[in-house]
Amino acid sequence: GENVEQHPSTLSVQEGDSAVIKCTYSDSASNYFPWYKQELGKRPQLIIDIRSNVGEKKDQRIAVTLNKTAKHFSLHITETQPEDSAVYFCAASPSGGYQKVTFGTGTKLQVIP
Amino acid sequence: GAVVSQHPSWVICKSGTSVKIECRSLDFQATTMFWYRQFPKQSLMLMATSNEGSKATYEQGVEKDKFLINHASLTLSTLTVTSAHPEDSSFYICSAPGLAETQYFGPGTRLLVL
Repeated sequence: GENVEQHPSTLSVQEGDSAVIKCTYSDSASNYFPWYKQELGKRPQLIIDIRSNVGEKKDQRIAVTLNKTAKHFSLHITETQPEDSAVYFCAASPSGGYQKVTFGTGTKLQVIP
Repeated sequence: GAVVSQHPSWVICKSGTSVKIECRSLDFQATTMFWYRQFPKQSLMLMATSNEGSKATYEQGVEKDKFLINHASLTLSTLTVTSAHPEDSSFYICSAPGLAETQYFGPGTRLLVL
């Protein structure tokens, strides 16, 4: 089955700096890669996603890159703000929402004011 | 947007009792739903895939006789934790797939077994 590794497990940055979280996956059949933000005790919230036919996607301060050959994908948050503090999970799945999603191990991001 | 609800949001029970958790898609139909378990400071681990009208598919290591799943209708899936023990205390989250691979997550159910 799919295995998704994520690092770092914790990340502290000063407000206004950038944060980068990296993930690798094992199953070449995976072609949908969502990123979730989870606040304590809450459900995961989709913040951005990318499909295998795209190498990069950006949405305001958030961007995701995908290297399908190397099976790597990364989340980039620029101009971080204290409200960005949360746990972030990468995930991977084959295409189609009816396919199961495998989550990474999570990164706890702390943005220091 | 699509909404998934869960009930109850939290439950405390005694060891040995059974607990039922409901997951509902409120404004769309879901022939498939997923059940996850999340222990403190850990990731979401898929427990099983719930299929309307057929048996659930369990992930390796998940006891199907302990975690009973029933997908009663196109908008409702239930997870019953039978003979719950303290090690079953966790955050249980369901999700239902929507358009374009988007997963809609329920708010989660926090289970504490004493």
